Amino acid sequence: AQSVTQPDIHITVSEGASLELRCNYSYGATPYLFWYVQSPGQGLQLLLKYFSGDTLVQGIKGFEAEFKRSQSSFNLRKPSVHWSDAAEYFCAVAPGGYQKVTFGIGTKLQVIP
Amino acid sequence: NAGVTQTPKFRVLKTGQSMTLLCAQDMNHEYMYWYRQDPGMGLRLIHYSVGEGTTAKGEVPDGYNVSRLKKQNFLLGLESAAPSQTSVYFCASSYRQGASYNEQFFGPGTRLTVL
Repeated sequence: AQSVTQPDIHITVSEGASLELRCNYSYGATPYLFWYVQSPGQGLQLLLKYFSGDTLVQGIKGFEAEFKRSQSSFNLRKPSVHWSDAAEYFCAVAPGGYQKVTFGIGTKLQVIP
Repeated sequence: NAGVTQTPKFRVLKTGQSMTLLCAQDMNHEYMYWYRQDPGMGLRLIHYSVGEGTTAKGEVPDGYNVSRLKKQNFLLGLESAAPSQTSVYFCASSYRQGASYNEQFFGPGTRLTVL
């Protein structure tokens, strides 16, 4: 069965600083990979996804993620964080062509002025 | 399009009471899911459905039942609520394009407290 590890439960960055959120997965083949964002009191919104092809994926709100097969990682990055990016971020993995998704426990991002 | 909607948004139950959470989607998606979200545990899959009239167990199905009588609706039932079922419940839906898998679309959640 697949699994997802988000090693950072809470991260604090200054507004304007760069951001990298880590995600490692465990799966025997190349999985489908996702990053979702959850604002307080809201549902989850898809930021970006990787199915195949170019390993650098662009998403909404200026986010990008890079799939590294050799490291089993799918880290999320943003060059300059805005105060509105404060939220909880979830990495998720699904076996190719199958519907059951496994979510990480989430990383809560705090942005300070 | 409303997307995925959930009813109710909040609910407080006493131990032993029953209730049904309703999820509706207007995107004609085949797949629907119920998750619970607890602090420090991420989202855990309770039950899911791959089509009208079919349901399957997820990671944490005990104490819950589901039904998918119509393609657009997915109901989650608690027959005898327990304090351990205090959580935020999310419904999601997704679709298939040939052999391609697509992301899940989430509802706004239902916050349930069991006293």
